[in-house]
Amino acid sequence: TQLLEQSPQFLSIQEGENLTVYCNSSSVFSSLQWYRQEPGEGPVLLVTVVTGGEVKKLKRLTFQFGDARKDSSLHITAAQPGDTGLYLCAGAGNNRKLIWGLGTSLAVNP
Amino acid sequence: DTGVSQDPRHKITKRGQNVTFRCDPISEHNRLYWYRQTLGQGPEFLTYFQNEAQLEKSRLLSDRFSAERPKGSFSTLEIQRTEQGDSAMYLCASSLTRTNEQFFGPGTRLTVL
Repeated sequence: TQLLEQSPQFLSIQEGENLTVYCNSSSVFSSLQWYRQEPGEGPVLLVTVVTGGEVKKLKRLTFQFGDARKDSSLHITAAQPGDTGLYLCAGAGNNRKLIWGLGTSLAVNP
Repeated sequence: DTGVSQDPRHKITKRGQNVTFRCDPISEHNRLYWYRQTLGQGPEFLTYFQNEAQLEKSRLLSDRFSAERPKGSFSTLEIQRTEQGDSAMYLCASSLTRTNEQFFGPGTRLTVL
């Protein structure tokens, strides 16, 4: 059974701080996606990483896929209150069904 | 707006009643997924369709749950004899077969009293 562990589960920081969220697995994924979800809404796709070692940037967000395609990280620089939300990672398994992490609930305080 | 839409956005029902939710995927997407999500947790897979064929159904899904996608376009999810434990956000997502990128609707929040 493929599992995806996400950490930390909760994070509360002050505006302007940096943070990193991790997704780890013992399984290899063909691709991995990061989503952000606000309360009462569906997840919104932020990025897809496909190649081992790949780094993608989306403004203040930096996403990295591990060399072995088993893990990924999301780094946010100078967090803003608008970054508050639930961050979810999801890896594509053998049958392309997504394996989901439990999410990191981020609160950025002004 | 050509994104995924879901109806209704909110549903409050009494225990034992049946409810039906609708999902309209992005028009060219042939895969459609249903998930359930409780507060602060990641989505829990329920079932998915490739066109009109239901290819997989979660073993966690009881016989009270049924989903259809009769013409390969919109889909419905029905819950019969609802229980309080069914209270959750029900999410629909769609994708192209050739990618793993799923695009989600806004969800239907179900509350069973």
